[in-house]
Amino acid sequence: KQEVTQIPAALSVPEGENLVLNCSFTDSAIYNLQWFRQDPGKGLTSLLLIQSSQREQTSGRLNASLDKSSGRSTLYIAASQPGDSATYLCAVRLITGANSKLTFGKGITLSVRP
Amino acid sequence: KAGVTQTPRYLIKTRGQQVTLSCSPISGHRSVSWYQQTPGQGLQFLFEYFSETQRNKGNFPGRFSGRQFSNSRSEMNVSTLELGDSALYLCASSSRPDSASANEQFFGPGTRLTVL
Repeated sequence: KQEVTQIPAALSVPEGENLVLNCSFTDSAIYNLQWFRQDPGKGLTSLLLIQSSQREQTSGRLNASLDKSSGRSTLYIAASQPGDSATYLCAVRLITGANSKLTFGKGITLSVRP
Repeated sequence: KAGVTQTPRYLIKTRGQQVTLSCSPISGHRSVSWYQQTPGQGLQFLFEYFSETQRNKGNFPGRFSGRQFSNSRSEMNVSTLELGDSALYLCASSSRPDSASANEQFFGPGTRLTVL
């Protein structure tokens, strides 16, 4: 059974800091990994999607990496801003079509202090 | 292009009642998935539909059911509501459920269900 872990559960940093959010998963036979952002009481916004054949993806100040062999992904946020405050979730999709659901971590709640 | 829409946004029901939630995927998307989000359990997969067929189902009791229509819109139904069903129900759409290049999932704003 695929398990996705995100530690720590919460993180508080001063504005301008570069930071790394970690995600680990137990089954390396994944199709892809997706990072989401969730604001309080809202739905999920897709940030980055990394296919199993890729090592990283970049969008603006965000960079996500994937190391399937070690079961790890990181989301790098450069020059953090108060507007980045949200919960960040990673989710993996298993490689078999019969199990095409996303398995989510519990998320990391990020607070960026002005 | 309009995003995923869910209606209603908020619902308050009492135990024993039933509820129907609706999801309209992004235009052109044929796969719809449903998730339940609670503070304790996080996001848990309910089921996935593609071309009106249920392709995958999570570990939820039979009180939770769903369907998809020919226009790809989907509904989920919860019967005999329990207090523990209070949650944010999220719907996600993708163009295909298993295409390597097109299975990014896009989520709607969710329906907040409160069971009293």
